[in-house]
Amino acid sequence: NAGVTQTPKFQVLKTGQSMTLQCAQDMNHEYMSWYRQDPGMGLRLIHYSVGAGITDQGEVPNGYNVSRSTTEDFPLRLLSAAPSQTSVYFCASSQTSGGTGEQFFGPGTRLTVL
Amino acid sequence: GENVEQHPSTLSVQEGDSAVIKCTYSDSASNYFPWYKQELGKRPQLIIDIRSNVGEKKDQRIAVTLNKTAKHFSLHITETQPEDSAVYFCAARGAGTGNQFYFGTGTSLTVIP
Repeated sequence: NAGVTQTPKFQVLKTGQSMTLQCAQDMNHEYMSWYRQDPGMGLRLIHYSVGAGITDQGEVPNGYNVSRSTTEDFPLRLLSAAPSQTSVYFCASSQTSGGTGEQFFGPGTRLTVL
Repeated sequence: GENVEQHPSTLSVQEGDSAVIKCTYSDSASNYFPWYKQELGKRPQLIIDIRSNVGEKKDQRIAVTLNKTAKHFSLHITETQPEDSAVYFCAARGAGTGNQFYFGTGTSLTVIP
């Protein structure tokens, strides 16, 4: 199993540009989520999904959109990038119920917005 | 929603000493408490977890304790080694259908050889 994969690993955007961060998992997990990690602030939830076709907002959703058309994929879209969105983004997946509940993280995407 | 607080933010210990990191949570319905270790430039990785029906769990040099009444849980690392140096995050998972994870702000642990 590849686990959770993310692309790209690094990205530089100009203010106002849009882009999509890709996330995929091959563990048939129902639950997927996106976090941003900023120094001293831990991991903050942006959006999450409990299954294909179902998404919901987390703690810091503004400026981001998500969709979940398949169990495997959960892309994160930045609509109009702002410097405040400079951060490291992690995608994660876990079983919604049963099992250990462990979240598996992707390798992260380091995004810089100029 | 849930609020998870973590202390201390930085911790330095001599090699061989013990390290303790503490977290509190606000939602009494939270039922799953994982601890993650994150090395510089890498992804968070689960090191130990505990469910709300258990008071303590141990895995070699690492242990976690949970006090449901006081709503706090702690990570204990004994016989620390330089490779234990990393940032550690606690988290709490809610019992709702969304099963969201709420993270503490992290503790940067440095083990001095």
